[in-house]
Amino acid sequence: GAGVSQTPSNKVTEKGKYVELRCDPISGHTALYWYRQSLGQGPEFLIYFQGTGAADDSGLPNDRFFAVRPEGSVSTLKIQRTERGDSAVYLCASSQTGTSGVSSTDTQYFGPGTRLTVL
Amino acid sequence: GQSLEQPSEVTAVEGAIVQINCTYQTSGFYGLSWYQQHDGGAPTFLSYNGLDGLEETGRFSSFLSRSDSYGYLLLQELQMKDSASYFCAVRARAGGSYIPTFGRGTSLIVHP
Repeated sequence: GAGVSQTPSNKVTEKGKYVELRCDPISGHTALYWYRQSLGQGPEFLIYFQGTGAADDSGLPNDRFFAVRPEGSVSTLKIQRTERGDSAVYLCASSQTGTSGVSSTDTQYFGPGTRLTVL
Repeated sequence: GQSLEQPSEVTAVEGAIVQINCTYQTSGFYGLSWYQQHDGGAPTFLSYNGLDGLEETGRFSSFLSRSDSYGYLLLQELQMKDSASYFCAVRARAGGSYIPTFGRGTSLIVHP
């Protein structure tokens, strides 16, 4: 079956613009995560969805960042008034059951990421 | 907060065995995972330890000691294709969920 897909693969925008990044998780996966990865760093947690709801958004750096998952499948990460410091690879991952203590296997399947460049 | 420490780079030759260590400081620890990431690629899951001891998956093994807040990834019979970055990631309870925190990664370079 298909893995996690993300679009676009690359996004170049100007400072101050609005961007949307899309993630299509593996079909049937209830948990979806967004991460941000800068060069030479590990993925940095942003937000986690269990179904349609944001179960934990403690990693979002500020209120310019917002994410939705209206039907419990596709998710969109939205960044307003982009800044040069937002430039990074944005990774999405999905897993079957999530982090509510239901499953301890912690197998997250990552998408290829969207490379965001803010000029 | 949580912190993880792992070496920035490790080099080895083909056919050898290499160990990548990970130490962590966290509250509400739940488990330790390992991921591999090739340049320009997505992280891929390798192994998970929720309990102390060794987990073996083919050429890769992972170990956890909760009392020492320490784990390692062991790669045997190294191949050139194993050259990649390896991340340890801690699951720790934060509020009602278990947030994953990744280390900065270890770049493994395998020489012929």
